[in-house]
Amino acid sequence: GQQLNQSPQSMFIQEGEDVSMNCTSSSIFNTWLWYKQDPGEGPVLLIALYKAGELTSNGRLTAQFGITRKDSFLNISASIPSDVGIYFCAGPISSGSARQLTFGSGTQLTVLP
Amino acid sequence: GAGVSQSPSNKVTEKGKDVELRCDPISGHTALYWYRQSLGQGLEFLIYFQGNSAPDKSGLPSDRFSAERTGGSVSTLTIQRTQQEDSAVYLCASSFVSGHETQYFGPGTRLLVL
Repeated sequence: GQQLNQSPQSMFIQEGEDVSMNCTSSSIFNTWLWYKQDPGEGPVLLIALYKAGELTSNGRLTAQFGITRKDSFLNISASIPSDVGIYFCAGPISSGSARQLTFGSGTQLTVLP
Repeated sequence: GAGVSQSPSNKVTEKGKDVELRCDPISGHTALYWYRQSLGQGLEFLIYFQGNSAPDKSGLPSDRFSAERTGGSVSTLTIQRTQQEDSAVYLCASSFVSGHETQYFGPGTRLLVL
C-alpha cells in the first residue's frame, strides 16, 4: 500500500533555531497535509497543500508540495518552546468507499531552552 | 460541544475483557473516522462512517473489533477479548463531508491491556 516515510524520527533543537522535516512516498499524492500532535491531544491540521510546487506558509511554518508529487517538507522558523510535539505528514488514499488518510510515523520535536 | 469528544480518556483493562470506546463528533458532521495510534507510530485507519451509508471496515485488524454509529452521531468502538497488542491510543475524527482536509480529531482514548 501507499506508505509515507517521514524523517527525521526525532529532533532536539535550541530555541530560536530553524527546523526542517520531510516526507517521501513511492507513490504520487495529490494532497499533502501536515499535522501537529501535542501530548495528550489529537492531531491538529497545520497546513494543507493541493498543487505540485505549491509553497504555503502559516505563521512561522512553511510547507512545500514537491514537484514530483512524491515528497513534501515542513519548515519551522525561529522555534519556540510551544513548538514541541509530534509532527505528522499525511495524504489521502482511496480504499473501498472511503477517502482515508495515511500518516507518516511522525517527527518528535524537542525544543531546548 | 465545540470539538470532538471521546470517553473515557484512559482505560486500563485485563486481557480477555471487552472494552467500549465512545466518540461524540462535532454536531452536523456526517463523516466519522476511527484511527489507532501505537506508541511512536503514525495513525492507522480503522473504520469510516459516512451518513447512512454502510461503514468502510477495511482497516479493522480483526473480527474482535467492531464499531457502530447510532443516529448518525455518536459512535462506539468495541474491542472484544482484548489482547496486549491492542494497547494504543484510539483517535476519533469527524468532518462535515468526506473531506480529508477537514478532519477534526478528538483527544483520544488511551487503552492499556494488562
